[in-house]
Amino acid sequence: GNSVTQMEGPVTLSEEAFLTINCTYTATGYPSLFWYVQYPGEGLQLLLKATKADDKGSNKGFEATYRKETTSFHLEKGSVQVSDSAVYFCALTHGSSNTGKLIFGQGTTLQVKP
Amino acid sequence: SAVISQKPSRDICQRGTSLTIQCQVDSQVTMMFWYRQQPGQSLTLIATANQGSEATYESGFVIDKFPISRPNLTFSTLTVSNMSPEDSSIYLCSVGGEQRGYGYTFGSGTRLTVV
Repeated sequence: GNSVTQMEGPVTLSEEAFLTINCTYTATGYPSLFWYVQYPGEGLQLLLKATKADDKGSNKGFEATYRKETTSFHLEKGSVQVSDSAVYFCALTHGSSNTGKLIFGQGTTLQVKP
Repeated sequence: SAVISQKPSRDICQRGTSLTIQCQVDSQVTMMFWYRQQPGQSLTLIATANQGSEATYESGFVIDKFPISRPNLTFSTLTVSNMSPEDSSIYLCSVGGEQRGYGYTFGSGTRLTVV
């Protein structure tokens, strides 16, 4: 079935370090891919998305490229800030039909230290 | 994108009781989704609620435990029935997926603790 796998956390970085959070997926058809962020005590916010191969989603300095050949959607940021500390979720929607259901990875906690 | 108002934001409930969570959307939407996020875990879809039809439940979730109402295109409720401490979680509603690739919007969540 369809699934999303993220790298284990927590990821601890110093401010201004480079961030990569790996995400790979298994899906039939052509899923849409998303990154969501959950700040402490808050709900989920859409960070970025991509709907087809080679699309690059970007927002707030974060980027992710839809790589169909490696079934990946890794999240990157060139210089993290303390305010980026949060839980990051990679997710997909079924590609074969528009059921609207999101399938989430397990989440990766990012801690950025000053 | 749609704006969702979810309430209550948190509650502490006695075991054996029920809690109803409400989600109000500022625009008409076809599909609404209810998720559960257990402590330190990812999100799991409970059910999909379409207006005018029975909710569709995912494996492991049943209507008797999680009854859902969807009386119109802007509102839905989820009830957590006969609660036990294992039901302590964050419950979130979501809308979206109307068209391929559209983002999904989430409510701020209801943090439920059952004692």
